Amino acid sequence: DTGVSQDPRHKITKRGQNVTFRCDPISEHNRLYWYRQTLGQGPEFLTYFQNEAQLEKSRLLSDRFSAERPKGSFSTLEIQRTEQGDSAMYLCASSFGRENIQYFGAGTRLSVL
Amino acid sequence: DQQVKQNSPSLSVQEGRISILNCDYTNSMFDYFLWYKKYPAEGPTFLISISSIKDKNEDGRFTVFLNKSAKHLSLHIVPSQPGDSAVYFCAASAYSGGYQKVTFGIGTKLQVIP
Repeated sequence: DTGVSQDPRHKITKRGQNVTFRCDPISEHNRLYWYRQTLGQGPEFLTYFQNEAQLEKSRLLSDRFSAERPKGSFSTLEIQRTEQGDSAMYLCASSFGRENIQYFGAGTRLSVL
Repeated sequence: DQQVKQNSPSLSVQEGRISILNCDYTNSMFDYFLWYKKYPAEGPTFLISISSIKDKNEDGRFTVFLNKSAKHLSLHIVPSQPGDSAVYFCAASAYSGGYQKVTFGIGTKLQVIP
């Protein structure tokens, strides 16, 4: 399977704990995106990488959120001091060059208790 | 500010009939439009797209129509099949900050009744 892979698929944590999610994009894709989706909403943009450079961050991405893509391949999204409002599906997508189509992973569902 | 609007949260259609999903947008800078399909517990899957220079794109049972003057697009599925039951997201993109930034609608849940 050469699609976008996300790990873990589900994460349950207690409020105040830190969590980290991983995304492995399609291998030749140089662009990587993180989105958040809550119930009844569409995916909301969080951040974008071109290769290893983080080029845009949404204002949705508070200081507790940080994302990295150290070698321009996989990416991690860390949430520090989680809050119940962080409970959502976190989606990763990738694309290549100027192609308009983004390909999504299955997502990581976060539940903050 | 919802730049991409899907005003019908759900739609039920009989198997074999046509499904029409609608989408409106407000940002005139959008130049590329996409439809994604999402099953429960899966990520969105790309379905079909259309550039702003076209008014129709067809792929098998799926056709997307774009009316730029009305800032409206629609997805037609004909004939509808039970396996088409899913949430359909309309998305629009504009070149911003060096890449095509995509904005999604809230989705329309389609149920195809056998």
